[in-house]
Amino acid sequence: KAGVTQTPRYLIKTRGQQVTLSCSPISGHRSVSWYQQTPGQGLQFLFEYFSETQRNKGNFPGRFSGRQFSNSRSEMNVSTLELGDSALYLCASSLDEALAGRYTEAFFGQGTRLTVV
Amino acid sequence: AQKITQTQPGMFVQEKEAVTLDCTYDTSDQSYGLFWYKQPSSGEMIFLIYQGSYDEQNATEGRYSLNFQKARKSANLVISASQLGDSAMYFCAMREGDNQGGKLIFGQGTELSVKP
Repeated sequence: KAGVTQTPRYLIKTRGQQVTLSCSPISGHRSVSWYQQTPGQGLQFLFEYFSETQRNKGNFPGRFSGRQFSNSRSEMNVSTLELGDSALYLCASSLDEALAGRYTEAFFGQGTRLTVV
Repeated sequence: AQKITQTQPGMFVQEKEAVTLDCTYDTSDQSYGLFWYKQPSSGEMIFLIYQGSYDEQNATEGRYSLNFQKARKSANLVISASQLGDSAMYFCAMREGDNQGGKLIFGQGTELSVKP
């Protein structure tokens, strides 16, 4: 069974540009979450999509947005990039907890390392 | 507010010895799940072990076990017989409540170094 796939793995962008990151979840997983990881702030939750709807959102500015497609694949977009957006962006997918009957673990991709110069 | 605290920024352990990584959590919910993840230098987060708040037994997965003390709100990870490949960052995380979906709250992590 294929794992979570994130593309691209590495990205260098200039301040003010926008960027789109892609995530393909594990087959059968309808929940896709995004996290930002930086040395200073650690791992922070960005948002979660479930069945094409945003179900949860973290405390990030509106420059950060996402969407999910009918095949559960997800994209996140960051507009007007700032130097502070340089980070490892991790995508995770998980099973529907209502079906599992318990909290379910998230399976992560290898991440996209974004550098803003 | 929910919070995860990992007080050990870095730890060293000798190969083949056991090591305990500390994690305390804060939540007002009765229902929650606790997770441990390993992050090698490659960046991918690898799921290790899960403990539900209503689970009566401590979780075990191979060389990993979770020392769950609900009253003290602690969920320490025990790695037995450490291997060189265990060198990595380790994160404790929590999900709580109903309809919280995929939101995980992470601690700051512990960097484990296994010495030969």
